Amino acid sequence: AQKITQTQPGMFVQEKEAVTLDCTYDTSDQSYGLFWYKQPSSGEMIFLIYQGSYDEQNATEGRYSLNFQKARKSANLVISASQLGDSAMYFCALTGANSKLTFGKGITLSVRP
Amino acid sequence: DSGVTQTPKHLITATGQRVTLRCSPRSGDLSVYWYQQSLDQGLQFLIQYYNGEERAKGNILERFSAQQFPDLHSELNLSSLELGDSALYFCASSSHYGYTFGSGTRLTVV
Repeated sequence: AQKITQTQPGMFVQEKEAVTLDCTYDTSDQSYGLFWYKQPSSGEMIFLIYQGSYDEQNATEGRYSLNFQKARKSANLVISASQLGDSAMYFCALTGANSKLTFGKGITLSVRP
Repeated sequence: DSGVTQTPKHLITATGQRVTLRCSPRSGDLSVYWYQQSLDQGLQFLIQYYNGEERAKGNILERFSAQQFPDLHSELNLSSLELGDSALYFCASSSHYGYTFGSGTRLTVV
């Protein structure tokens, strides 16, 4: 079975600072993918970044980077230079052989001006 | 616009009723997934279709059913609705490039 764990309580960050959102996972699949999604208060799910289990380098997409530590089964999202518009719920998700996405419970991020 | 279209955006209905949620996947995507997001259960996978055939089932109640039509759009049917079915229902489609979510249908059962 696949599992995603996001245990941080609501996170706060000052505008323009960096923040790390934690995600650990568990899977028996050898090949898998990790995703981060952003869900603002409007409700839509916005794709942020993807990391494949065989990717040797950490994924980056603009201000988003994924700190992938395979041995520790962690896939933390780093947001650099936080903006007020980054305030949202963030979900880590895992896909494997069965192709469905398994989501964590999410982390609420609030960016302070 | 993500390319995945869900209708309606909002739905309010009474207990015991039946509703149909519709999803049109991104052009060219053959897979459709349905998810339910509620405050207590989080994001739960319901069911997956691939090119018209059911591929995987998750925590989908027997009162719920889905299908994918030849034009690849999908419908999720929810019947004998209960208060606890109130949730945000997402459809997603997938391709080599990843998963794309629709904007969701917010169902309120009163």
